[in-house]
Amino acid sequence: GENVEQHPSTLSVQEGDSAVIKCTYSDSASNYFPWYKQELGKRPQLIIDIRSNVGEKKDQRIAVTLNKTAKHFSLHITETQPEDSAVYFCAGSGGYQKVTFGIGTKLQVIP
Amino acid sequence: SQTIHQWPATLVQPVGSPLSLECTVEGTSNPNLYWYRQAAGRGLQLLFYSVGIGQISSEVPQNLSASRPQDRQFILSSKKLLLSDSGFYLCAWGPITEAFFGQGTRLTVV
Repeated sequence: GENVEQHPSTLSVQEGDSAVIKCTYSDSASNYFPWYKQELGKRPQLIIDIRSNVGEKKDQRIAVTLNKTAKHFSLHITETQPEDSAVYFCAGSGGYQKVTFGIGTKLQVIP
Repeated sequence: SQTIHQWPATLVQPVGSPLSLECTVEGTSNPNLYWYRQAAGRGLQLLFYSVGIGQISSEVPQNLSASRPQDRQFILSSKKLLLSDSGFYLCAWGPITEAFFGQGTRLTVV
């Protein structure tokens, strides 16, 4: 089955700086990679996703990149704000009826 | 639009007691349904998933079980809870790809 590894587990950045979270996956058949944000005590919510036929996708301050050859993908948050503080999960799905999540990255944006 | 309901929101149960968490989805037919558990400070662990009525796949052997008696209903159960069952339980639905989560149930086993 799919195995998704995520790092770092914690990340602290100054407000206005960029944050990068990296994930690797094992199943070369995986073709969909969503990113979720979970605020304290709340459910994870999808913030951005990327499919394997695309190398990069951007939505305002958030971007994702995918390297299929190396089997890794990354989340980039620019101009970080305190409200970006949360736990971020990457995930991979190969169409086998399930989504496999990384362990999560706790992002702290310091004002 | 599709909505997912999960209850209860919080639950405190003694060790050895039974458990039943329920999840229902509205606005879609034949969804894939999932149960995840998130232990404190940990990631999302897939427990069960279902692609149809009566079809349950278990990811992690444990004292939990799941059932899908109706197309849009997914139930997580245990006959006897353990302390290690404490955590944040999330039901989710989706097509093959994205997972949309319910509000979650915070279970504390005492």
